[in-house]
Amino acid sequence: QKEVEQDPGPLSVPEGAIVSLNCTYSNSAFQYFMWYRQYSRKGPELLMYTYSSGNKEDGRFTAQVDKSSKYISLFIRDSQPSDSATYLCAMSAGLMNTGFQKLVFGTGTRLLVSP
Amino acid sequence: EAEVAQSPRYKITEKSQAVAFWCDPISGHATLYWYRQILGQGPELLVQFQDESVVDDSQLPKDRFSAERLKGVDSTLKIQPAELGDSAMYLCASSPRDSTNEQFFGPGTRLTVL
Repeated sequence: QKEVEQDPGPLSVPEGAIVSLNCTYSNSAFQYFMWYRQYSRKGPELLMYTYSSGNKEDGRFTAQVDKSSKYISLFIRDSQPSDSATYLCAMSAGLMNTGFQKLVFGTGTRLLVSP
Repeated sequence: EAEVAQSPRYKITEKSQAVAFWCDPISGHATLYWYRQILGQGPELLVQFQDESVVDDSQLPKDRFSAERLKGVDSTLKIQPAELGDSAMYLCASSPRDSTNEQFFGPGTRLTVL
């Protein structure tokens, strides 16, 4: 079993829809949670960064963490065709024995928003 | 806006040849990472530097891969000899010294080994 599970999709929605993207994880030590957006043939771009449980909102994006269920979500309101990309979740447990953080990524969910 | 630079963007090589990738992190970022991303998967860490020192290379196939960051700024990742299974996107990322969870990625180098 992978530490981080993410449905690869594709998830197809019409423009204006609310999108829900999710990841589950098995390592209860994870406490930092990130969402990255990756356009085709480009590097990942950091969208949201949250610590521990709760919600964080940034414009049309809301990140939600439920540590009791080991489940994180990214909601996109009023989705646009320009939101079409792969969304990667990533998480870390804090400082490792190296003294540094180490990110574990999901496989990514491909989102397609049609006009 | 500050960005991570990588070159080349694309590289096609034959198996058993040597290849090298270059990365210039965001100015002032002490931590530099090299990741490998196979199509349809998430990035996997190959090596992490803090300044010029390696802090994690546990997933780097050291029989064929090497990485250096001699002056603690830009970095080079080398593969010698390349194998068919090395075909992937090689991503470089950097982060500030005090916030290593916030990693900023470059555009990547797409490697194809024939």
